Amino acid sequence: EVQVVESGVILVQPGGSLRLSCADSGITFSNYWMSWVRQAPGRGLEWVAAIDQRGSEKNYVGSVKGRVTISRDDAKNSVFLQMYSLRAEDTAVYYCVRENRGGGGSSFDYWGQGTLITVSS
Amino acid sequence: QLVLTQSPSASASLGASVKLTCTLSNGHSSYVIAWHQQQPEKGPRYLMEIKSDGSQRKGDGIPDRFSGSGSGAERYLTISNLQSEDEADYYCQSWGTFGGGTKLTVL
Repeated sequence: EVQVVESGVILVQPGGSLRLSCADSGITFSNYWMSWVRQAPGRGLEWVAAIDQRGSEKNYVGSVKGRVTISRDDAKNSVFLQMYSLRAEDTAVYYCVRENRGGGGSSFDYWGQGTLITVSS
Repeated sequence: QLVLTQSPSASASLGASVKLTCTLSNGHSSYVIAWHQQQPEKGPRYLMEIKSDGSQRKGDGIPDRFSGSGSGAERYLTISNLQSEDEADYYCQSWGTFGGGTKLTVL
């Protein structure tokens, strides 16, 4: 069961699933790699997943591989993160970020507002 | 494996300047890094990108008080004329790797 406690806060039971969405009409996502980054309570930032401009290349951090799928819909200027088999350690604020690649480097130059996902029974 | 190293904390007085450091691990000294600011109870904000030659690309609306530079494997973020709202966590990032963050206290 997934409960929306308040805007930007989601409570889900261990083992549950949910889909995060990120859309922003004020900034362009197309032609950029897009990523999801999370921050557990009181902790630092951790990159979770990335998707290339065409949606054909996807990368994941080891701790979520097989449990998470990143996707995008450029027609809607949106990025998604489908999460399965959620665990307590997935509790974090999740941010979508735009990745600017070029010149041999990669910088996250846009951060979404973030959604707190709490995994608890 | 890319590792970014930051000091856990820094402090400076109101109106003073502070220089934060991000050190790239061996073999990665040519990498581009980005600096991000996270004020208390807020999400991160992109400040700027710094290349190995010290050139920088700032985010929209970032004050001139914030500047970046680089030397070898080190990348710096200098904040001049410190304001109370500069008290925040500062993270460096390159590709999918983040430094541990530096908590800046404005005295």
